[in-house]
Amino acid sequence: DQQVKQNSPSLSVQEGRISILNCDYTNSMFDYFLWYKKYPAEGPTFLISISSIKDKNEDGRFTVFLNKSAKHLSLHIVPSQPGDSAVYFCAASDYGGSQGNLIFGKGTKLSVKP
Amino acid sequence: DVKVTQSSRYLVKRTGEKVFLECVQDMDHENMFWYRQDPGLGLRLIYFSYDVKMKEKGDIPEGYSVSREKKERFSLILESASTNQTSMYLCASRAGGLETQYFGPGTRLLVL
Repeated sequence: DQQVKQNSPSLSVQEGRISILNCDYTNSMFDYFLWYKKYPAEGPTFLISISSIKDKNEDGRFTVFLNKSAKHLSLHIVPSQPGDSAVYFCAASDYGGSQGNLIFGKGTKLSVKP
Repeated sequence: DVKVTQSSRYLVKRTGEKVFLECVQDMDHENMFWYRQDPGLGLRLIYFSYDVKMKEKGDIPEGYSVSREKKERFSLILESASTNQTSMYLCASRAGGLETQYFGPGTRLLVL
């Protein structure tokens, strides 16, 4: 059973607009969440993270929101740029339970059109 | 800057061959991981290691083994490659006590 779900396999957005990528989780013990970005034929690169004690974390154009009651997090990219076109993976960690291992979603492919 | 390197970017092997994938990190990280990435399946954990000579099975260890003789190096071994092991293999490392993993560039393996 998937503990981290990214229900949208793909998303297409116009350049300059907002991209919203969503992620749901089932394990209430998860206490740290991360987003990774992956270009084809490259390894994932860490983008932004959030601890469960916060509900928002911002880094430049990227903001992650966490709604613990809904077990939902989202990544907002504003404004979207063509270089943001990549696969985005959501990941969660339960340090005490999973020894810090990350559980990844299946990814959402973002296409930003000029 | 964390640097994780993998020995090959692309590999082509034949069914039944023994395959070695090597990963080296330069940040003195305690923890290292091997994943495979397949379309529609995301990243799946094969094996991980918390210390030298230590190894733990991940979610899909069948058909694989690992070796960690030195802290900076973590090797993934396919004892007898099969076509269903054609995939992108990703190595990652992490400092102890922190969650963020840092990935290498990946090795795309094709087994014919």
